[in-house]
Amino acid sequence: GAVVSQHPSRVICKSGTSVKIECRSLDFQATTMFWYRQFPKKSLMLMATSNEGSKATYEQGVEKDKFLINHASLTLSTLTVTSAHPEDSSFYICSADSRGAYEQYFGPGTRLTVT
Amino acid sequence: DAKTTQPPSMDCAEGRAANLPCNHSTISGNEYVYWYRQIHSQGPQYIIHGLKNNETNEMASLIITEDRKSSTLILPHATLRDTAVYYCIVISTSGTYKYIFGTGTRLKVLA
Repeated sequence: GAVVSQHPSRVICKSGTSVKIECRSLDFQATTMFWYRQFPKKSLMLMATSNEGSKATYEQGVEKDKFLINHASLTLSTLTVTSAHPEDSSFYICSADSRGAYEQYFGPGTRLTVT
Repeated sequence: DAKTTQPPSMDCAEGRAANLPCNHSTISGNEYVYWYRQIHSQGPQYIIHGLKNNETNEMASLIITEDRKSSTLILPHATLRDTAVYYCIVISTSGTYKYIFGTGTRLKVLA
């Protein structure tokens, strides 16, 4: 149980375009979803926390207008990287928790390459 | 949230126990210790968590010192598939929580 999926698993896009990444909790309802990014050989960095039906809370230094997060239902959150640039190339990972629990279930990640 | 420090890397022989330490000297009373691991290019995987008592599950054991300032994750019989980066995270259970990942320990299990 407690499976989180991400789509796509990898994407290549041209500089200036926007890319949407989906994060779904498959067998549970996620009260809260989290988005992380990870550069090569580095640790995960929390970008934002999103609760269903409300605006996401962004970490310091993360541009909310560049990384748009929508958490429209208890099983789906999306991250849109707008006007992507090569420096946005990274591994993006989402996670979700269920009501009352502190354990996060992580998705398999999405590798974004901006050319 | 309390910060954690872990050794950057460790090696372990296949079949032997892997003992991964974590220092969390500023932990407070309502904060749990969680352990995750990340195999290359995958999302982190939950291993175990605890508050003050030692814990064991099918994957690992967690030993927390009496003063709770440090803990050790034990993989009793390491296999090659246990090669991964192991993260120790301390989280507060009061108010909004979030995971702050440290640098983790890169465990390499050797054949």
